[in-house]
Amino acid sequence: DVKVTQSSRYLVKRTGEKVFLECVQDMDHENMFWYRQDPGLGLRLIYFSYDVKMKEKGDIPEGYSVSREKKERFSLILESASTNQTSMYLCASKGRGPSGNTIYFGEGSWLTVV
Amino acid sequence: AQKVTQAQTEISVVEKEDVTLDCVYETRDTTYYLFWYKQPPSGELVFLIRRNSFDEQNEISGRYSWNFQKSTSSFNFTITASQVVDSAVYFCAPLNNYGQNFVFGPGTRLSVLP
Repeated sequence: DVKVTQSSRYLVKRTGEKVFLECVQDMDHENMFWYRQDPGLGLRLIYFSYDVKMKEKGDIPEGYSVSREKKERFSLILESASTNQTSMYLCASKGRGPSGNTIYFGEGSWLTVV
Repeated sequence: AQKVTQAQTEISVVEKEDVTLDCVYETRDTTYYLFWYKQPPSGELVFLIRRNSFDEQNEISGRYSWNFQKSTSSFNFTITASQVVDSAVYFCAPLNNYGQNFVFGPGTRLSVLP
């Protein structure tokens, strides 16, 4: 079965803290993604990675960084959390080429910054 | 770039009613894919269907059916005899053949009342 696992389901962090959101996939997928989802805005892409150590900015990368040291793991980092980063974060992965064109999502991480 | 419009922000139906969720997309690509995802209150995005732009056959899977009309750029989703467990936000998402990531709109929130 396809599996994308996000390490934390619910987090509460203080403003200014450094936050790590971890994501692991077991499908040997090349591509991995971090989205955030906010009411009325749908899903917005923060960063994606198409290979180990490779990363590309999405639509809203400001305030975030990512790390992809291993193929199966893609981490989202909030260097200094702010209240406007309170959101639901979704990790996803997909394979390569037309046959790999289905994105699979994790369960989401609900982050509250106070 | 792809664009998607789900004109219905929220729909409420009574259990056992049929309901159709509309999706209109824009793309300049001749080859592309269309997806539907379901997001229940738990937060995880669940893959429902992937459709290749060359395949305009309608598809039925249990109570779910999809009507792909390339001429009108629509990919509508119908739930027959709706159930309370169908309550969720539904996303239609286009992806081009070489695309790295999806374009998601705000989705349609479906509430099925007992």
